[in-house]
Amino acid sequence: GIQVEQSPPDLILQEGANSTLRCNFSDSVNNLQWFHQNPWGQLINLFYIPSGTKQNGRLSATTVATERYSLLYISSSQTTDSGVYFCAGSTGANNLFFGTGTRLTVIP
Amino acid sequence: DGGITQSPKYLFRKEGQNVTLSCEQNLNHDAMYWYRQDPGQGLRLIYYSQIVNDFQKGDIAEGYSVSREKKESFPLTVTSAQKNPTAFYLCASSIGNRVRETQYFGPGTRLLVL
Repeated sequence: GIQVEQSPPDLILQEGANSTLRCNFSDSVNNLQWFHQNPWGQLINLFYIPSGTKQNGRLSATTVATERYSLLYISSSQTTDSGVYFCAGSTGANNLFFGTGTRLTVIP
Repeated sequence: DGGITQSPKYLFRKEGQNVTLSCEQNLNHDAMYWYRQDPGQGLRLIYYSQIVNDFQKGDIAEGYSVSREKKESFPLTVTSAQKNPTAFYLCASSIGNRVRETQYFGPGTRLLVL
């Protein structure tokens, strides 16, 4: 399967700060997605972004498919942004491979 | 409201016991998935189903079984053959068997071995 590397593994931010999370893939992927897992375990899909750039409020994501990486930007972070951020992708239709995540803690 | 429900929220298993985790969706999605998450790790695919009465093994299917008798339901049985079942189990669904799709997740079930 695909190897998915996420960095940094842990990140602590002061409220209001900006951050960039990175995801590298060992092979080309089709349906690259970013997820946020809250402290209670609920996983929410943030972006479906196989290529290009998308923005949703304070979050944006960029995928450079030819170089097999994706970036998630969080601006003006809030305490509610805390949790674990995962990226995932697949080479086929169904088998998503997940990274080990970036654990974000935003302190007031 | 449309969504995915999982029950129970917490489940305890004794040695040699089979347990079944429930997953129901009312999103009218064709595809459903089961993932396992261990502490500090990402998700790994156990089984997936693209259509009723059909399912495929994922990366870590050994010790698990599933059924898909109805479109809305995809229960997962953790059998006694699964020697290390303690984990967080997440069910997901997506519209259908297409390459470019978003997966939507349920709230999860935490399984603990007594």
